[in-house]
Amino acid sequence: GQNIDQPTEMTATEGAIVQINCTYQTSGFNGLFWYQQHAGEAPTFLSYNVLDGLEEKGRFSSFLSRSKGYSYLLLKELQMKDSASYLCAVMDSNYQLIWGAGTKLIIKP
Amino acid sequence: GAVVSQHPSWVICKSGTSVKIECRSLDFQATTMFWYRQFPKQSLMLMATSNEGSKATYEQGVEKDKFLINHASLTLSTLTVTSAHPEDSSFYICSASSGTTSYNEQFFGPGTRLTVL
Repeated sequence: GQNIDQPTEMTATEGAIVQINCTYQTSGFNGLFWYQQHAGEAPTFLSYNVLDGLEEKGRFSSFLSRSKGYSYLLLKELQMKDSASYLCAVMDSNYQLIWGAGTKLIIKP
Repeated sequence: GAVVSQHPSWVICKSGTSVKIECRSLDFQATTMFWYRQFPKQSLMLMATSNEGSKATYEQGVEKDKFLINHASLTLSTLTVTSAHPEDSSFYICSASSGTTSYNEQFFGPGTRLTVL
């Protein structure tokens, strides 16, 4: 079967750095997405990785290792507004998105 | 950027009634639209995928006669929850893809919160 694993909840301090991991087992791979979702709102796109390596976009970076079935989202200089759920999703061989359950990130002052 | 709207944002209805939710791509043509359902503290669950002008493809376990999907144009898809019951109360989110990016990026609407009394 297809499976996406990510931690249920993480806590970090304002101004610090946090890494949210995601491991996946899917039938085929056409890229991995990270989305941010604030409570009661729809997800917003953060990043897309299809090749191995690190993609940096401002305070957020995303890393992919296809051989390990592993990705992480790195958030630097954390702000209170970064408190949200972070969803990892993999596009399989049929170009369908397989979603993880999301990681709830709590930022403390 | 690509914008997707949903209407209504929230709706409360009585058990047994039908509710229609609209999803519109405002500044691009959506060749494919997706309907998701999300229960509290859970991830998105894909309900169905629809391509303009053709019948929707429903995920296993989703009743197509209960969740009617119409994708009549390249900018509009509708989801009708027929004979809604309290267990249908959920957050319904649509997304749209133009098919023009190499990774078929999905742009999400703001969601519709349905409460069935």
